[in-house]
Amino acid sequence: NAGVTQTPKFRILKIGQSMTLQCTQDMNHNYMYWYRQDPGMGLKLIYYSVGAGITDKGEVPNGYNVSRSTTEDFPLRLELAAPSQTSVYFCASSWGRGRNQPQHFGDGTRLSIL
Amino acid sequence: GQQVMQIPQYQHVQEGEDFTTYCNSSTTLSNIQWYKQRPGGHPVFLIQLVKSGEVKKQKRLTFQFGEAKKNSSLHITATQTTDVGTYFCAGPERMGSSNTGKLIFGQGTTLQVKP
Repeated sequence: NAGVTQTPKFRILKIGQSMTLQCTQDMNHNYMYWYRQDPGMGLKLIYYSVGAGITDKGEVPNGYNVSRSTTEDFPLRLELAAPSQTSVYFCASSWGRGRNQPQHFGDGTRLSIL
Repeated sequence: GQQVMQIPQYQHVQEGEDFTTYCNSSTTLSNIQWYKQRPGGHPVFLIQLVKSGEVKKQKRLTFQFGEAKKNSSLHITATQTTDVGTYFCAGPERMGSSNTGKLIFGQGTTLQVKP
């Protein structure tokens, strides 16, 4: 049982490049989330999904896109990378919103935009 | 909007000293969760408190949920170097009478322990 798996673990991008951060979970969780964490700071929600085919914006969605075609996968797309998007990105999942089931986090993707 | 605030932001203690972090919500919470993030790691769920006035213990960690369900605390007795990390509290976002499924995280308290 792998839990939440994120790839890649590290990436360096040039300004203007695009990339997709992959996230998959094998716990059959309905809810999935993307957060970013800047150095020494807390977690900011980028996008979330309550089930396959349903996504919604979080606190800081600009510059990102998501899709949720299956229960397992929730990729995050950066279209035109900017230095302000240098951060650590965490994907998380939870069973449902009843009593807000605990969130399970992946190991993160450390992204630098140069 | 709904906010969750944590204090202090940083705490340096000598190994063996106690440590407490406090969490305050702008709204009444149905539950509160605590997470720990080791340096370079990812947040890991520690515990969830649901009942007003609830107290739960995990070895040297004591978690409390306030009577009004708007505040919480985490107390570590006799800190060890393995306690180093950032501790986050998080409460569910409310929309009307329901939880949205999103968590509102506090900014975290970073604990450093001197051996």
